[in-house]
Parts: sequence; structure tokens; C-alpha cells
Amino acid sequence: KNEVEQSPQNLTAQEGEFITINCSYSVGISALHWLQQHPGGGIVSLFMLSSGKKKHGRLIATINIQEKHSSLHITASHPRDSAVYICAVSGAGSYQLTFGKGTKLSVIP
Amino acid sequence: KAGVTQTPRYLIKTRGQQVTLSCSPISGHRSVSWYQQTPGQGLQFLFEYFSETQRNKGNFPGRFSGRQFSNSRSEMNVSTLELGDSALYLCASSITTDTQYFGPGTRLTVL
Repeated sequence: KNEVEQSPQNLTAQEGEFITINCSYSVGISALHWLQQHPGGGIVSLFMLSSGKKKHGRLIATINIQEKHSSLHITASHPRDSAVYICAVSGAGSYQLTFGKGTKLSVIP
Repeated sequence: KAGVTQTPRYLIKTRGQQVTLSCSPISGHRSVSWYQQTPGQGLQFLFEYFSETQRNKGNFPGRFSGRQFSNSRSEMNVSTLELGDSALYLCASSITTDTQYFGPGTRLTVL
């Protein structure tokens, strides 16, 4: 069974700061997903990674398969980025996701 | 294109009752997965359905069951509800093992 660990659990940042959230997992995977959950429960899929790096706007996600580690970076953070960010992993050919506990991000104006 | 819809959005039941939750995936998506989210356990995988077949099941008791219909719509059922079943139940649909698109969830409260 894959164990997914995220750090930090909580993060408070000033608007404009560069933010990094980390995720590590214990067993080889086929893909790693970064999800965003706003208050009220809706979840949005931000990235799916199997190698390397992806960028979308101010968000950057990287993965190191050998080290079983991924990072989510937010550049020039904004209060609207305040949400819970969840890392999840999936095995080969499976839709089944195993989730980290999430990182609660608060960006203060 | 319409997103994933879940009904009902909110539900209050009492212990011992049963409940059925519904999920309509994005048109063309044949895979539906269900997840339970609680403050203590976080997000946990319940089931995965593809073309009416259950492909995977998470570590939940037999009181939790589900099915998928020929139009890809899915239902999950929880029998003999317990207080600990209070949670946000999310479904997600996808075409491949790439991006999953989540519905808004059904918040179940068991009294």
C-alpha cells in the first residue's frame, strides 16, 4: 500500500510570496496528481505528472521518480490561491487514487 | 460540456437507515470513481467502475456498494448507516487514467 506524505500541513503566506508544497510517496507509481480543494468541497485537478515538470500559469509541479518526491510551487501567491492542496498517486492502469492529508494554504493580503 | 453532477447535494439520515447517492459523469467518460472524505481520515478511495464493471474497491465494509449503468451513471449505496459514515462523498469521472474530474460532492450527515 502506498503511503503519501505531504508537508507542511498548514502554510500561511503573504501575498506575492513564492510557495512550495512537498509530497513524498513510498511505492513506485504510474502518476502523481495535484488537486485543489476550496472551502465548500469542490475539487479541481491541477496537474497529473509521470515525469519532469509541468507549468500552468503561476503554478509549477515537478516530480523526481527516483526520489519518490514531488513539489508544487506557486509563484506570486494571491489570496485567491487560499485552498487545500492535495497530492494523490495512482498505480499502473488504475484510476484508484491514494491521497495525502493535504496542505491548507492561507494567503494574506 | 456539463461537469460531473451529484445528487443529492446534502442528506441527513439516522443510524440504521440506508442511503443511495447518484453520480452523472461528463458525457463520454466511461470511468467513475467514488471517494469518501472525512476530517479524520481525509480522502479515501471507495470504488472504481468502468463500463459497468467494478475494477477496484477500497478497504470499506460490505455495507458500501455501488453500480454503474449502461449510460455510465453510477450510484453508491450505504446500508445500515453508522455515525462514522458522516462524510463528503465525491465522485469523479475520467476518460483515461489521466485527469479525473470531480463532482461537487454529497454531504451526508448521520444522526
